[in-house]
Amino acid sequence: EADIYQTPRYLVIGTGKKITLECSQTMGHDKMYWYQQDPGMELHLIHYSYGVNSTEKGDLSSESTVSRIRTEHFPLTLESARPSHTSQYLCASLPAGGYNEQFFGPGTRLTVL
Amino acid sequence: SQQGEEDPQALSIQEGENATMNCSYKTSINNLQWYRQNSGRGLVHLILIRSNEREKHSGRLRVTLDTSKKSSSLLITASRAADTASYFCATFAGANSKLTFGKGITLSVRP
Repeated sequence: EADIYQTPRYLVIGTGKKITLECSQTMGHDKMYWYQQDPGMELHLIHYSYGVNSTEKGDLSSESTVSRIRTEHFPLTLESARPSHTSQYLCASLPAGGYNEQFFGPGTRLTVL
Repeated sequence: SQQGEEDPQALSIQEGENATMNCSYKTSINNLQWYRQNSGRGLVHLILIRSNEREKHSGRLRVTLDTSKKSSSLLITASRAADTASYFCATFAGANSKLTFGKGITLSVRP
């Protein structure tokens, strides 16, 4: 079982609210990723980080933002949630030099009403 | 565009049968990985095959890679109801690159 955690697991909120999805890993991995998974299962990379103070936008444009102040923590923030943000959000990490497997958290299922 | 494309999109088999899932990709890769996702959960890594490997085994899993055809297959032998899940292939192009996932295959194993 991978040591990567996401909270909350489920979140239902109203339009316009600010939310932060938490992701933490205790493996000391440098690289971390956020994916958005649509109902059709396809995963889209929305943000990634190669280490502290490094953040990059992914392949899918997202209104969310991320920060990486500590190695173990990679939170994702939506300033003003909309129904179009309803999705499953998956966090993952990869060790330095990573040619190997990504470790995934359990996901946060976000519903914006 | 997605690098990996799995085939079929959905597969339903009887317990005890073998399940074969295919993945095609477009560009050169360093390795190809298969992941499994149970409903409502995160992805779990199953097996990795490097570009210089042709076949790899792990328990009931067998993965093949044909770099000339840019394709891979995942075989699950003697399937069990607990194998019911979604399966994704993902390609990795090298250092500081990103994993690119396919759209996934839904496998249903009937008891």
